[in-house]
This record gives sequence, structure tokens and C-alpha cells, in this order.
Amino acid sequence: QQPVQSPQAVILREGEDAVINCSSSKALYSVHWYRQKHGEAPVFLMILLKGGEQKGHDKISASFNEKKQQSSLYLTASQLSYSGTYFCGTAGAGSYQLTFGKGTKLSVIP
Amino acid sequence: DGGITQSPKYLFRKEGQNVTLSCEQNLNHDAMYWYRQDPGQGLRLIYYSQIVNDFQKGDIAEGYSVSREKKESFPLTVTSAQKNPTAFYLCASSTPSLAGVSTEQFFGPGTRLTVL
Repeated sequence: QQPVQSPQAVILREGEDAVINCSSSKALYSVHWYRQKHGEAPVFLMILLKGGEQKGHDKISASFNEKKQQSSLYLTASQLSYSGTYFCGTAGAGSYQLTFGKGTKLSVIP
Repeated sequence: DGGITQSPKYLFRKEGQNVTLSCEQNLNHDAMYWYRQDPGQGLRLIYYSQIVNDFQKGDIAEGYSVSREKKESFPLTVTSAQKNPTAFYLCASSTPSLAGVSTEQFFGPGTRLTVL
């Protein structure tokens, strides 16, 4: 089953913060986050593993709530370059197969 | 430079014709994947292969076929049995971790297939 992402779309002004959520009805072992710009290939952001570990680099971070089977991506002090569609991909234990959500379109405006 | 190449970038075919999409990687990755992307639908897995000469169906394999004769190559054939083949096709690869955990997937630039 496809994980559910929310919101479907969000518009931010430069410098504002955003949170994108990814929820699954299945038990998760890992959650991937990717960003895709229009017409381009998705680019890897980070992986989170079961255990609730929070990760981040620069001003983008993510968390994994094992009890809720949910991951959240946090973008702080957004920049124009953050615009794109963000996808979460989820996998169970021992599985290489990712199931992706439908994506969240993020638009950052000046 | 290491990476994944897909060719061609744009492909047009007549309805009823089979077409093969190319995917080559020089990252020395064992695992390769094919995804289909439609507007508003995210990425859906067609086929994946964890090792040469072995592959598994993904969520939407009907109407598609693959082969994995070489580690570097994972071509996808869109057959005439695929009811709605017009889409953006993405190939990806990854190196499986020893713990059996999915690792970062590297994506190619994609092929946009239009069936007329």
C-alpha cells in the first residue's frame, strides 16, 4: 500500500519553514526521502531507519516515529532551491523494494 | 564519472508496437529498478533485480518485461499488452546493504515515452 503524504502542495516564502508528513498503514523499517525538480530525476535526501532516529543536513532534517509508522521532513528557513516535489519511499524489514507516496509539491517564492 | 544513463530521453511509438528502454549503470551496483511515473501518482515499481539473471515483479508489472544479463544493464520492454504506456520511466540502482536494508537509490534522467 502506498504511504500517504501530506500536504499535497504547499507554497512558502523564502525563509519560512515547512513540514511534510508520510504515513503508512504497514510496519516500516526504513523511510527514504527524495526531491524531484520538474522533468528531472529524483535526488536522494536521506534514509531513516526503525528506531526513531532523527537525521539532518544543512536546514533539512527528518524524523521517524515508529509507533505511528510516520516520518516527517522538516525544511527550515526555506530557499528558492528547495522548490520541487518531495517523495517518501517506505520499506519493510528485509526488503529492498520501496513504495513511494504520491509526493508533496513545494513551491518557494521570493 | 559514475552514474546511470537512460536512452533515449524522448521516445514516440505507434500503438501496438513493442519498445525497449535502455538503462545502463557504471556504479557497480547489484540492484536495479524500473519505475513508472504519471502526474500526481508518484513513482510506481515495475520490476526490480537484485542480481544478474534474476528479477522480480513490482506493483505494476503487467504489460512489461525485463532482462538482466549483465550487471550494468537492465533494459525494459513495454509490450503492446500494456494498456496505457504513455508515461515517464525512471531507472534506478542501489547497492544492497549486508543487513538487508534498502539503501540510497540513484536515478537515471528518465525516458518520456509517448504512444500515439
